Amino acid sequence: EDKVVQSPLSLVVHEGDTVTLNCSYEVTNFRSLLWYKQEKKAPTFLFMLTSSGIEKKSGRLSSILDKKELFSILNITATQTGDSAVYLCAVGYGGATNKLIFGTGTLLAVQP
Amino acid sequence: DTGVSQDPRHKITKRGQNVTFRCDPISEHNRLYWYRQTLGQGPEFLTYFQNEAQLEKSRLLSDRFSAERPKGSFSTLEIQRTEQGDSAMYLCASSYLGQGARETQYFGPGTRLLVL
Repeated sequence: EDKVVQSPLSLVVHEGDTVTLNCSYEVTNFRSLLWYKQEKKAPTFLFMLTSSGIEKKSGRLSSILDKKELFSILNITATQTGDSAVYLCAVGYGGATNKLIFGTGTLLAVQP
Repeated sequence: DTGVSQDPRHKITKRGQNVTFRCDPISEHNRLYWYRQTLGQGPEFLTYFQNEAQLEKSRLLSDRFSAERPKGSFSTLEIQRTEQGDSAMYLCASSYLGQGARETQYFGPGTRLLVL
């Protein structure tokens, strides 16, 4: 059965800390891995990864994919309270469909 | 705003009633997806359209659910004879086929349904 597993389920840190969120997957017909940020509303797109070993970076956020070991990490440096959210990992699969299968998310709380 | 929009944002209904949700995708996006998200879970795929054709439906989509995208633009999701288990956030996403493996789905704000 196709699945995406995220860890940890939740995380509490203080402002300025660096966090690493993990996502592992077992999915047939893998196309891409995506990270989304969700703050009580719709998921907002962060990164799409299709190739192993190539880091994607946007400000304090970065992500990398390992297609051999079937996992990805999302790093957030110098965390701020505005980073508090659920971070969702999703894998696009299904041949022509490219439907997404999501993990349950990691709830990040950044305390002042 | 040129993002994905959904209407209504919230809906409270009584068990047994029918409800209909609307999604307007990003213009020129030819793919439209519906997902359902329950508390503490990631979104789950329900169905998707390529232009006006509904090409796949999840087994989560019972006979009480029907979706349309009549002119390849906006889409509607109807739930007939709602049940309490239908209470969830219904998310719509759109993307542009043609980007290959880089096809990215952008989500709307969702419709939160509560069935009493």
